[in-house]
Amino acid sequence: DTTVKQNPRYKLARVGKPVNLICSQTMNHDTMYWYQKKPNQAPKLLLFYYDKILNREADTFEKFQSSRPNNSFCSLYIGSAGLEYSAMYLCASSRGGAHGNTLYFGEGSRLIVV
Amino acid sequence: QQKVQQSPESLTVSEGAMASLNCTFSDGTSNNFRWYRQHSAKGLEVLVSIFSDGEKEEGRFTAHLNRANLHVSLHIREPQPSDSAVYLCAAPMTNSAGNKLTFGIGTRVLVRP
Repeated sequence: DTTVKQNPRYKLARVGKPVNLICSQTMNHDTMYWYQKKPNQAPKLLLFYYDKILNREADTFEKFQSSRPNNSFCSLYIGSAGLEYSAMYLCASSRGGAHGNTLYFGEGSRLIVV
Repeated sequence: QQKVQQSPESLTVSEGAMASLNCTFSDGTSNNFRWYRQHSAKGLEVLVSIFSDGEKEEGRFTAHLNRANLHVSLHIREPQPSDSAVYLCAAPMTNSAGNKLTFGIGTRVLVRP
């Protein structure tokens, strides 16, 4: 089973309100990732967890938070949503952090901020 | 920093005809590339992973990698309407720890019955 599950699938949020997106995987993968995808743009890596260690990309450092309470779950938290956060958020997981390991993606959480 | 570019932006093919997609990257030292596809409002599905120059086949999908030319292609044999999707090329980020990928913008493929 290579399933990565994301909740909610769709989220409507008002500007300034917080948003929490959840991801889970049952493959015992030790690395989990969050990507942001906007229409006609490439998926952009926001952050990833290798085991319990969080790595955030430099240009998204202040905008997104994440937690990983256990190996199976990972969340993405936006403290105060802005219009520019409207996007599809894709969670992925992989076995280990070394090059060569395939990322398995969930179906995404579509966030619309109004 | 790894840069990935895909062409064409969109492609329409007839059912059963070969579809060919192209991807160029900037870092020739990279050694693993993947093709993903995304159906409308769905997640990314991995199609082919290729780690060395040459050809890798997974069902009706074949990837060709030529690192000297900074090029990786995807060929879809006997495409079906259900193959209509956005196809994304992914390469490892340069000088990065872990399994971080850089994606292209994608090629939108439409397969007509």
